[in-house]
Amino acid sequence: GAVVSQHPSRVICKSGTSVKIECRSLDFQATTMFWYRQFPKQSLMLMATSNEGSKATYEQGVEKDKFLINHASLTLSTLTVTSAHPEDSSFYICSAGAPWQGRGYTFGSGTRLTVV
Amino acid sequence: DAKTTQPNSMESNEEEPVHLPCNHSTISGTDYIHWYRQLPSQGPEYVIHGLTSNVNNRMASLAIAEDRKSSTLILHRATLRDAAVYYCILRGAGNTDKLIFGTGTRLQVFP
Repeated sequence: GAVVSQHPSRVICKSGTSVKIECRSLDFQATTMFWYRQFPKQSLMLMATSNEGSKATYEQGVEKDKFLINHASLTLSTLTVTSAHPEDSSFYICSAGAPWQGRGYTFGSGTRLTVV
Repeated sequence: DAKTTQPNSMESNEEEPVHLPCNHSTISGTDYIHWYRQLPSQGPEYVIHGLTSNVNNRMASLAIAEDRKSSTLILHRATLRDAAVYYCILRGAGNTDKLIFGTGTRLQVFP
C-alpha cells in the first residue's frame, strides 16, 4: 500500500515553455503532498506543501508564480514549471503519506526535467 | 526545525552489519526520528521511524539513545542494494508535518 505515482519520469522542454508534472496517490487519499527539487549531488530541497482544495504553501525563496501547484483532488497534485529556463533543470520529486497509519511518507520516483 | 548531523560517508563490506549514526541534540519531546534512503536517480524510500523505544522492521533496526539526542540505524547484513544515501530526519507529530532533508550519509557497500 501507499503508492505514489509521478509522471513523466523524464521531460525535455525548450526554454520559455511550461511543463506540468503529476503526482498521484494510487491507493490512499492525500490531503497534503509535498514537492521537492534536487540538484546533482545535493540533498532534496522542499519547495512547497500542496494542500487539497486550498492554496499551496511555498518555502522561502521559491517563486510561487513560476512553480504553480494545483491540488484539485485527494489523489492528484500537479506542479507546473512556467516559462522554464535552463537553470530550472533539476530532479523534481513529490511525496505524500499516511503517517497516522504508522508509515512514513511515500515518495514518487521523480521527474528529471531538462530545459534546453 | 531541529537539525540532525550525520557523517558524509561510510563504507561497509557485503553481509556485514552497518551502524549509521545520527546526532540530534536539539530534538524536542514531540519529534519523531525518521530514516529514509535514496538510491541513485530515485525518490527517497522510507526505512523506519521511532519516538523513544528501539524499533525493528524488515528493513532495519533503529536504536534511540535514552536522552534521544542521538540514534543509530542498523542494517543487520548489508547487501549491494543497500548502497544509497541515508537521511536521518526529525519530524513533528502532526499528520501533515513536512520532512526537511539534511545532507545524509552516503553508504558504499563493497562485495
